[in-house]
Amino acid sequence: EAGVTQFPSHSVIEKGQTVTLRCDPISGHDNLYWYRRVMGKEIKFLLHFVKESKQDESGMPNNRFLAERTGGTYSTLKVQPAELEDSGVYFCASSQLAGAYNEQFFGPGTRLTVL
Amino acid sequence: LAKTTQPISMDSYEGQEVNITCSHNNIATNDYITWYQQFPSQGPRFIIQGYKTKVTNEVASLFIPADRKSSTLSLPRVSLSDTAVYYCLVGDISGGGADGLTFGKGTHLIIQP
Repeated sequence: EAGVTQFPSHSVIEKGQTVTLRCDPISGHDNLYWYRRVMGKEIKFLLHFVKESKQDESGMPNNRFLAERTGGTYSTLKVQPAELEDSGVYFCASSQLAGAYNEQFFGPGTRLTVL
Repeated sequence: LAKTTQPISMDSYEGQEVNITCSHNNIATNDYITWYQQFPSQGPRFIIQGYKTKVTNEVASLFIPADRKSSTLSLPRVSLSDTAVYYCLVGDISGGGADGLTFGKGTHLIIQP
């Protein structure tokens, strides 16, 4: 069974540009989470989808970030326009059971560098 | 959410047993204790979870005393490949809990030959 995949693995963009990150969860997992780690900080929760609905987006830093999960399968996270402080590693995770503290399966992350 | 405290770093040698203790003094009745492992350039990986007493799987053991204010992750006979960051997380596994995991700084475990 394929795990959670993320694309791209690395992205280097200039300040002001737009970047879209993609996450493909494990097939059948209704729950999809986005997290990020910015330089020197801890991994922080961004938002949680249940199927195509946003369950909680309290961790989204500002309105430059837009997450979608059309059709309840893969998800995208768009940053527009990107700022220097957005640099970091963005992780996606999925789970079968509701409840964040049930086992989540993480992808390898997308490393975003904003110059 | 229960705050966790764990060592920033530890080192050990191949073949040794490694124990990492996590303190969670304000753990709630419905909270479970979960450990994740993260290798460089990878996402965190769930390794074990427990509520009380002892839990063992093919990767590790988790010891939880009766008061549940701390827990110990035990890795038997470590190898170089166990070098990773280990996170202790505490939270409610029911759907009514927090919507995302709360990670702390974790414990950087370095295994030497």
